[in-house]
Amino acid sequence: DTGVSQDPRHKITKRGQNVTFRCDPISEHNRLYWYRQTLGQGPEFLTYFQNEAQLEKSRLLSDRFSAERPKGSFSTLEIQRTEQGDSAMYLCASSNIRGPGSYNEQFFGPGTRLTVL
Amino acid sequence: ILNVEQSPQSLHVQEGDSTNFTCSFPSSNFYALHWYRWETAKSPEALFVMTLNGDEKKKGRISATLNTKEGYSYLYIKGSQPEDSATYLCAFRSGGYQKVTFGTGTKLQVIP
Repeated sequence: DTGVSQDPRHKITKRGQNVTFRCDPISEHNRLYWYRQTLGQGPEFLTYFQNEAQLEKSRLLSDRFSAERPKGSFSTLEIQRTEQGDSAMYLCASSNIRGPGSYNEQFFGPGTRLTVL
Repeated sequence: ILNVEQSPQSLHVQEGDSTNFTCSFPSSNFYALHWYRWETAKSPEALFVMTLNGDEKKKGRISATLNTKEGYSYLYIKGSQPEDSATYLCAFRSGGYQKVTFGTGTKLQVIP
C-alpha cells in the first residue's frame, strides 16, 4: 500500500500526558499537512510542511502542540500536557506541488483518534 | 476566517433514489473546490477537483457542478447504493493560500 499511513490509529491517554503521532506521506510528495476533526465539524487545518520546512501554523496550534518533519519525509505531531478538549481525530495529508493536475490535491491518511480521559 | 457551508448535514435515502447536496463558499478569490468521500474507519478519498466556473465532473454515478460567481457547488448521486453511505466533504482553496478550508460535511446513509 503506497498511500498515506498514520500511527497509531487510536490513542487513549490520561489528561496531562504527552502523546506523539506519526504520519508517513506518499513517498514522492513534498507537502505534508496536519488537520484536526472534532465531532460535527469538518477537518480544521493545523499546519503544513514543504519538505522539512514548516511554512504555516494555524492559531489552533497552541504552544502545547509541536510538529516536525526532520528529513522531509515522515512527520510527527506531539501534544504535551493533553487536555480533554484535545480529543479529536488527527488527520495527515500529503500532496505534490510538482505533480500533474497540481491544484494541491491532498491525499489523506486514515487518521489517529485521540481520546483524553 | 473563510465560511464553507454544506447542506444538508445528514441525509437518509432509499437504495435507488437519486440525491444531491450543496457546498457554499466565498465567491471572491476562488482557486479550487475539492470534493471528498469519507467512509467510516477509512481515509477521506478525493472525488473531484473543480477549478473553472461552469465545470462539470463525473465519476460513475457521482457528478458535480461548480458556480464560482455565486459561490456554490452541487454533488449529485444517481441511483444511490448502500456503498455510497459516507460523509461527503467539500474543501475550498482561495488563491495564494496553500491550506484548504473544509465544510462540515453531509452524512449520507443509503437504506437497502
